[in-house]
Amino acid sequence: EDQVTQSPEALRLQEGESSSLNCSYTVSGLRGLFWYRQDPGKGPEFLFTLYSAGEEKEKERLKATLTKKESFLHITAPKPEDSATYLCAVQARSSASKIIFGSGTRLSIRP
Amino acid sequence: DGGITQSPKYLFRKEGQNVTLSCEQNLNHDAMYWYRQDPGQGLRLIYYSQIVNDFQKGDIAEGYSVSREKKESFPLTVTSAQKNPTAFYLCASSPGREALTNEKLFFGSGTQLSVL
Repeated sequence: EDQVTQSPEALRLQEGESSSLNCSYTVSGLRGLFWYRQDPGKGPEFLFTLYSAGEEKEKERLKATLTKKESFLHITAPKPEDSATYLCAVQARSSASKIIFGSGTRLSIRP
Repeated sequence: DGGITQSPKYLFRKEGQNVTLSCEQNLNHDAMYWYRQDPGQGLRLIYYSQIVNDFQKGDIAEGYSVSREKKESFPLTVTSAQKNPTAFYLCASSPGREALTNEKLFFGSGTQLSVL
């Protein structure tokens, strides 16, 4: 069964303290892996799409990486405005009509 | 500005009542979707539509209905058959006609539905 698990559920960091969020997935042939950012009471906002193992993408303080079983969202020297829930989602080749979302990691950055 | 507009922001449903959530987009996207988000859970797909006058059930379609009479609009009705409707509802769109290809989704700002 296709599945996405994100860890940790919540992460509290001090401003400037770098860390990583994990997205583990089980899927029958990966078509694409997506990262989104969601602020409270808002819809998710697209960050990255990764297609194959070894691929990396960067945007400001965020870098997403992909292996055959998991993806990491690395956050370097975070600022309070990076506080949000980060969602991971995967799309399988065998079932292109379905995108499976993880339950997210709530990231809180203290000034 | 182009985007997806969901209304209302908050909605309350009485027992036995049907309610309709609005979703409008001016991005000229072919595909539109409805997701449900419960606290601590991932987004779950309710319905999606690839083209006008056509739509498919997602994972949790029971108790919901949709229509796609116009490209810009994809309203969701939560019927009285949905016994646990309290959730945050998100509408999304993507450019391609082939729904749920590896394209990014554009989301609206959501509707919080609660039961009175």
